Amino acid sequence: EIVLTQSPGTLSLSPGERGTLSCRASQSLTSSYLAWYQQKPGQAPRLLIYGASSRATGIPDRFSGSGSGTHFTLTISRLEPEDFAVYFCQQYDISPLTFGPGTKVDMK
Amino acid sequence: EVQLVQSGAEVKKPGESLKISCRASGFSFTTHWIAWVRQMPGKGLEWMGIIYPGDYETTYSPSFLGLVTISADKSISTVFLQWRSLEASDSATYYCARGGPLTPSAWFAPWGQGTLVTVSS
Repeated sequence: EIVLTQSPGTLSLSPGERGTLSCRASQSLTSSYLAWYQQKPGQAPRLLIYGASSRATGIPDRFSGSGSGTHFTLTISRLEPEDFAVYFCQQYDISPLTFGPGTKVDMK
Repeated sequence: EVQLVQSGAEVKKPGESLKISCRASGFSFTTHWIAWVRQMPGKGLEWMGIIYPGDYETTYSPSFLGLVTISADKSISTVFLQWRSLEASDSATYYCARGGPLTPSAWFAPWGQGTLVTVSS
């Protein structure tokens, strides 16, 4: 099973600041089969990024993904008030599919 | 609009059985994989398993194999998650989510709204 580790656990930022979230995999992902999701309290997760760097439909361009192999990054270029949430990464390279533990982005 | 609509919250006692549902609309039900994901209170996401409604092929996470059953009914475009005997540790929110059209290994979008299951004596 591929284990995903996310850091930091909590990221405290102010609106307008840049946020950088990390996701590391216990083994290399072929073809960058990694996705990012955003989850707000009481809501279902929402797909942001797939294929490590492709934005899902309707996702603002302030969200970007990068990385390959075992290290991936989600960057929020300028935080908007609606971006304060928990972010999960997910690998879909090898079954069982697994998620990281999440990074909470909260307001400083 | 591509949509997954789940059945409502359930309160059950330990040992009882349960079947929750996820109705799909707005896309070809038989050509997309649909997964179930568990989220325990205040915790992360756990992939439980996935089904291809076209031929009912199902794959389970080793962590959930034998504990739940995933099924589908093509006639009503609905996927199910079933327990024969609930335990308190099954208390969680369960999400269904649409996967890819060709492979069970894919990202998930969209997600259902979630079904809260509470198991308590």
